[in-house]
Parts: sequence; structure tokens; C-alpha cells
Amino acid sequence: AQSVSQHNHHVILSEAASLELGCNYSYGGTVNLFWYVQYPGQHLQLLLKYFSGDPLVKGIKGFEAEFIKSKFSFNLRKPSVQWSDTAEYFCAVGGTNAGKSTFGDGTTLTVKP
Amino acid sequence: GAGVSQTPSNKVTEKGKYVELRCDPISGHTALYWYRQSLGQGPEFLIYFQGTGAADDSGLPNDRFFAVRPEGSVSTLKIQRTERGDSAVYLCASSAGTAYGTDTQYFGPGTRLTVL
Repeated sequence: AQSVSQHNHHVILSEAASLELGCNYSYGGTVNLFWYVQYPGQHLQLLLKYFSGDPLVKGIKGFEAEFIKSKFSFNLRKPSVQWSDTAEYFCAVGGTNAGKSTFGDGTTLTVKP
Repeated sequence: GAGVSQTPSNKVTEKGKYVELRCDPISGHTALYWYRQSLGQGPEFLIYFQGTGAADDSGLPNDRFFAVRPEGSVSTLKIQRTERGDSAVYLCASSAGTAYGTDTQYFGPGTRLTVL
């Protein structure tokens, strides 16, 4: 069975601080990995995804994530956060031959101006 | 429409009642997904359609839950004999269905179901 663990439930940062959100997964096969974001009052939307190739993936709004296969990790990073990055962030894993994704329980990021 | 829409946005019902939740996917998207999100948790997969057929219904918790997509577009999630534990936000997503497993899923706003 596949599972996702997000270690930080709530992260509070000041503007311009660097961000790293942890994500570890368990899956018995080749995986597709995703980070989603939900801004206050908005729908869940895709930040970035990895399915093959360069393990360092760049997404929207300056976010990036690195797939480290040996550590079963897909951590999300941003060098300098802004107040507008305040949101809930979800890591998800899916198999290459399955439509469904398994989500972590999310990390709430609060950025103080 | 421009995005995935779901109706109603809120539904309050009594224990034991039947409810239907509707999802309108992005036009042309062949894949459609239903998830359930409880407070403080991430979305939990329920069922996935490719066209009119349910390609994976392994996430449906029991036989009180059923979903259909008769014409390959709109989908309805049906819950019989609702229980208080069914209270959650029910999310629908759609994708183009062209790249199995790697498609970007576009989520709707969700239906908040409250069972009293």
C-alpha cells in the first residue's frame, strides 16, 4: 500500500526566510510525485510534479522539489518566501499505472510580513 | 466552463438520508476522480473514472457509496443511509486522461457534507 508522510504540520516563517517542507513516501514501484497547494479560500492546485528525468523539479511561483530515491523523499523548497505563500501544502504519490493519488495530511505554512 | 464545478457547495442532511453530489469536469477531460477530505487530513481517494467506466473504485469505503458517470462527462457521487462519519468535504478532480498517472489533476471547490 502506498502512503505519504509530511513531518511538519504547521510551519511559521518570516518573509524572505527559506522554506523546506518534508515529504516521505512508501510505494512498491515506480512513482509519480506531486506537490499541491491550497491558498485560503481557493481550490487545491498543482505546484509541481515529478515522473521521470531530472530529480530536481521546478514549479510555479519559485518552488522546487528534489526527488531522492534512496531516501524515499520529495521535499519542497523555496529560497525566499513571501506573505502570499501562506497556504496549505500537500505532498502526493501516485503509481505510473494508476489514476489515483495518495495524499499526505498537509503542512500549513504561515508567512509573517 | 473554465474549471471543475461541484454542486451543491454545502449539504446538510440527517443521519440515514440519501444524498447525491454532482461534479462537472473541465470540458474534454476524460478522467475524473472523487476524493474525500476530513478535517486536518489530506484528500483520500475514493474512485477514478476513465470515460464512462470506473477504472478504480478501491477507495470507496463500503457499499453505501456509489458513483456514476453515464455519458463520460458529469459524475454523481451517491451516498445511501448517511452516517455522521460521512461528514467531510468531497472533492472532484478531472484530468485530460492522456498520460496515465502523470496527468495534472484539476480540482473543484468541493462539497461540504454535514450529517447531523
